[in-house]
Amino acid sequence: NAGVTQTPKFRILKIGQSMTLQCTQDMNHNYMYWYRQDPGMGLKLIYYSVGAGITDKGEVPNGYNVSRSTTEDFPLRLELAAPSQTSVYFCASSYGTDGYTFGSGTRLTVV
Amino acid sequence: KQEVTQIPAALSVPEGENLVLNCSFTDSAIYNLQWFRQDPGKGLTSLLLIQSSQREQTSGRLNASLDKSSGRSTLYIAASQPGDSATYLCAARGNTPLVFGKGTRLSVIA
Repeated sequence: NAGVTQTPKFRILKIGQSMTLQCTQDMNHNYMYWYRQDPGMGLKLIYYSVGAGITDKGEVPNGYNVSRSTTEDFPLRLELAAPSQTSVYFCASSYGTDGYTFGSGTRLTVV
Repeated sequence: KQEVTQIPAALSVPEGENLVLNCSFTDSAIYNLQWFRQDPGKGLTSLLLIQSSQREQTSGRLNASLDKSSGRSTLYIAASQPGDSATYLCAARGNTPLVFGKGTRLSVIA
């Protein structure tokens, strides 16, 4: 089991560019999540999904989009990148009320 | 809206000490509470998961307790070691996904 895999690990974007952060899990978890972590601020929920075809906004969804076409994949799309989106992004998954498993993160810098 | 607070924000102890990290949450209607460890520049590693029906969980030198009625959880680390130095995060799950505290940054000095 690879668990939760995120790509890329690092990325530098210019203001206004777009990109997709990839997340895939091989544990057949129904729930998947995207969080961002800023220094000293803890983790904040961007979007989550309770199953294929179903997504919902979290606390900080502006500037992001998601889709969940399969159980395994939950990509996060950044449109028109802004410096405020400089952060570390974590994808996670869970099954029912079991604990969360996190990926290793993507460190994104927008310049 | 669930809010999770961790105290203290930072803690420095000599090697060998027993220590307690505190976590409080505002909405007691939770399904579970999870403690994580995060090393600098790394991802989150799950340490302990306590379901709402449980009072505590243990793993090696770690023991986590949960008191839903008072909205509190503690992480007890016995005989601390320099390798325990990291940031410890607690997170509560209710009807919404996990809500995180800001963490306690622990330094264990040899």
